[in-house]
Formats: sequence, C-alpha cells, structure tokens
Amino acid sequence: GDSVTQMEGPVTLSEEAFLTINCTYTATGYPSLFWYVQYPGEGLQLLLKATKADDKGSNKGFEATYRKETTSFHLEKGSVQVSDSAVYFCALSDRKAGANSKLTFGKGITLSVRP
Amino acid sequence: ETGVTQSPTHLIKTRGQQVTLRCSSQSGHNTVSWYQQALGQGPQFIFQYYREEENGRGNFPPRFSGLQFPNYSSELNVNALELDDSALYLCASSLFLAGGSTDTQYFGPGTRLTVL
Repeated sequence: GDSVTQMEGPVTLSEEAFLTINCTYTATGYPSLFWYVQYPGEGLQLLLKATKADDKGSNKGFEATYRKETTSFHLEKGSVQVSDSAVYFCALSDRKAGANSKLTFGKGITLSVRP
Repeated sequence: ETGVTQSPTHLIKTRGQQVTLRCSSQSGHNTVSWYQQALGQGPQFIFQYYREEENGRGNFPPRFSGLQFPNYSSELNVNALELDDSALYLCASSLFLAGGSTDTQYFGPGTRLTVL
C-alpha cells in the first residue's frame, strides 16, 4: 500500500538557519503530494502541495519539489523564524477516480527554532 | 469563506461508552473525511463520506461509524470505547466534482477525546 517516510526528529535550529526536512513516498500511480503544518494544540494547516512530477509547491517561504525519479518531496526554507516552530507532516493523496481519495501521512517531525 | 469547524473541542469518556463527534465542512465542499491522530503520530484515515454515503474506509473496526447530512456536515460515532481510542479526531472537507477526483483536503481544529 501507499506509504510516506519522513526523516527522524526532532529538529532544532537557530533563527535564520536553513531548513531541510526529508520526505520520500511509495505509491502506485501518480499521487498528489502535500506538506501540512500543525501548531501546538491545533489541527492541520495546508502548507503547500504539488500535483505532478517536477511541480514546485511554495508558501510562506517554504518550498518543495515533486521528484518522481527519487520519489521524494523534501521541504526547504532558506531562513527559519521562531514562529515556524511546529510539527510538519508530509502526505500523499492517492487521487483515485471518484470521491475516495484519502491522505496517507508520515509520522511528522517537530521543528523547534531558537531565537 | 467559512472553514471547517468541529465540536466539541475536548471530550472525556469512560471505557465502554459511546461518543459522537461533529463536523461542519467548509462552505462549497461536499466531501468529508475523518482521521484519527494518536499522540506523536501522523493522522490515520478512518473513512470518507460523499453524497451521504461512506465512500472509502481505512483499517478501523465497525464500531467506528459515521453519517453525512444533506448540508454536507458529518458525524463520527464510536461505540464501546476503548482506552486506545484516546486521540485527536480530525475532520477534513474537500470538493469533489463529477468526472474529477477529490484532492486537497482542509482540516478542522480537531476534537481531543480522552477515554478513561
């Protein structure tokens, strides 16, 4: 079945450091790929998405490129802020025909940014 | 545009009891999916509702059931609660158009269920 693997955490960075969070996936077909962010005590917020190979999703300074050849969707940000401290989830949608597409999530990784 | 809302925010139940969680989908959306997020884990797909029928189910027992109403809101019911049911329950809504596929899902804030 479909699966998403995220790098082990937690990750602690200083403000303005460069961020990379690795994500690889296993899926049949051509899934859509997502990054969701969860702030303490809250639900999930969509951060960015990509729907086909070589697409780059971007939002709030975060970027991720859909790499079909390496089945990866790594999240990057050039300069993190304290406010970026949260849990980040990589996910894929199986995009089946019909209204039965479900999201498969990785385990998530906690990012803490120090001032 | 109204986002996804869920109620209640928190709930405490005892083992063996039954619980109902509620979700209002984002305006314009017609599909609702439910996920269970255990502490420190990623969300796990429970099931999805479209046109008031279950349309896809994850690896959860039948004591997890749901409903979708004509206004696209939804309920998740869990019978015979077990300690392992303690989790954050997330509802997500999306738009499915005939001839297309459901894609981006938008989540509510969740209901934190504690089973004692």
